[in-house]
Parts: sequence; structure tokens; C-alpha cells
Amino acid sequence: DQQVKQNSPSLSVQEGRISILNCDYTNSMFDYFLWYKKYPAEGPTFLISISSIKDKNEDGRFTVFLNKSAKHLSLHIVPSQPGDSAVYFCAATGRFNAGGTSYGKLTFGQGTILTVHP
Amino acid sequence: DAEITQSPRHKITETGRQVTLACHQTWNHNNMFWYRQDLGHGLRLIHYSYGVQDTNKGEVSDGYSVSRSNTEDLPLTLESAASSQTSVYFCASASQGIGNEQFFGPGTRLTVL
Repeated sequence: DQQVKQNSPSLSVQEGRISILNCDYTNSMFDYFLWYKKYPAEGPTFLISISSIKDKNEDGRFTVFLNKSAKHLSLHIVPSQPGDSAVYFCAATGRFNAGGTSYGKLTFGQGTILTVHP
Repeated sequence: DAEITQSPRHKITETGRQVTLACHQTWNHNNMFWYRQDLGHGLRLIHYSYGVQDTNKGEVSDGYSVSRSNTEDLPLTLESAASSQTSVYFCASASQGIGNEQFFGPGTRLTVL
């Protein structure tokens, strides 16, 4: 049961254009979402996050949009650069019970390989 | 600078052997996590810990165990390695609090023959 899904295994864009990576989730208890970036032979690194009380968060060239009713989030990279070529994972978390035992646990999507061509 | 390290970076072992992967962080984080990354599955949570002497099972915990005797270390043990456990393993740590950024180690590539 994949609670966080990234349905596009790969995306190819031209340098300078916009990259849009999509992510869908099924668990309505998720209330915080993150994007991680991963280069080959390295661990994932945090990129940007968004709380469910917002519908947009921006950090430089990166913007994350959240549509709670559709249970959908997207990451926009503008303009795309060759150095952005990597695997991008979306992740979700939330407080699932009174004890908060899911506190800090992340559920990841399958990842999308982004290739930015010069 | 604070960091999180994993060792070994690469390991080849045989079916049935016990294997321990080390994870050490100097962030002084209470929360530590082990994930495995497989094609088509992304990162899946194996075990996690919210502090010393606390351990919890993740979604793919069968065949794995962890122990937390201090804040800095969370070793992952494969009791009897199986070919299905061939994967890349990542350790991560985070301070307490929902949504706090998890810092990942560089990963250990494990091959079980």
C-alpha cells in the first residue's frame, strides 16, 4: 500500500526551462511534506518543505505547491540547471495518534529521476 | 562540523551470515532512522529510535534488528542475511519535532550472495 506516490519515474527538461515534479498521497493524516534531492552515491539531502496550513512555499528557484483537496503536491524548479539533475523524493509525515508515535517518521515516494540537458 | 557517517560503505556477504551496519551521528539528535532504497520502492523505513533504549519497527523490519545504547549510534543488524536484503541502506537522524529535517548518511551498499 503505497501511501505516497510519484507516478513519473523520470523527467527530462532543457536548461533554463521549468521542471515540475509531482507527488500524490492517500493518507489524509499527513500534514507536513518534504522534498529531498539525491545524487548518485550520496545520501538524500533536504530541499524544501511545506506545512498543510499553507498552499505554497518558495525558496529561491524552488517552489512547492500543496493541494490538500486533491492530496497532491508539486515541486517547481525555475530555471532548471544541469546541476539539478538528480533523483527527487517527496516525503510526508503527520501525527497519527495521541501518543505521537509517528513523530518524525517520513513516508517516501518512489522518486523521480530529473535530467536537465544543457 | 556535525555529521552522520556509515560504515562500511560497501559490503559483500553470503546468505545466512550475520551482518552489522554502523551509523554514527554527531548532531546529538534524539531521533535516528534506518531506510533501505530499492528501485521502484523509494526509501522504506526499517527501524527507528526516538532516544536511548528506544527502538521501533518500521514497515520492512523483518530480518533486521537495532539497538540504541547511546545517543550517537544506531547499528543495524541483519540476523541471517538473505539475497532479498541486497540493497542500499541509509541511516538518518533528526532533532525531535514534526517535520524536522532528517540528515542522511552516505549509504552502505550491501550485496548478499
